[in-house]
Amino acid sequence: QKEVEQNSGPLSVPEGAIASLNCTYSDRGSQSFFWYRQYSGKSPELIMFIYSNGDKEDGRFTAQLNKASQYVSLLIRDSQPSDSATYLCAVNRKGSGYALNFGKGTSLLVTP
Amino acid sequence: DVKVTQSSRYLVKRTGEKVFLECVQDMDHENMFWYRQDPGLGLRLIYFSYDVKMKEKGDIPEGYSVSREKKERFSLILESASTNQTSMYLCASSPGRFYEQYFGPGTRLTVT
Repeated sequence: QKEVEQNSGPLSVPEGAIASLNCTYSDRGSQSFFWYRQYSGKSPELIMFIYSNGDKEDGRFTAQLNKASQYVSLLIRDSQPSDSATYLCAVNRKGSGYALNFGKGTSLLVTP
Repeated sequence: DVKVTQSSRYLVKRTGEKVFLECVQDMDHENMFWYRQDPGLGLRLIYFSYDVKMKEKGDIPEGYSVSREKKERFSLILESASTNQTSMYLCASSPGRFYEQYFGPGTRLTVT
């Protein structure tokens, strides 16, 4: 089982819709969870982090964490074409907690 | 804002050359990381450092070494470059355990 799994997509949503990106992780002891956005040819950019069960909102973005189900998601409201990118989910690794395990990312396409 | 800089955006080297990739962060972060990113393989951790002069191997350390003589600077060394080391190399820094990582712009290295 991979440490962090994401559907590779592409996920296509119309402009103005809600995009829902999902991620599952294997280590039940994980404590910190991150979402990154990566445009083609660019480096990953941190969007959100979440440590506790429940929802965390920041502007148009909401991160949701369910530790019992080992599931973390990212909702993007009012999706814009500029949101078209690959979204990476990351979870802290077992042991020291320094490093992260990254999923391979979900490609999101927002169509005008 | 956190700033992570990398010495080159693009680099072309010949097989067998010794290659140095430099990374500098300006936020007094404890931890620094080197990744490579290849299509279909995602982000793979090469090495990380949790303190000056301290380092740990990541998932794919073979063919690489690192150096951290000062807190702000973390270097990746390809001892004898090979064509299978052609990749995008990403440096990141983090303020501590279980915290987020901030990425530099990346160096696209081509080994011919």
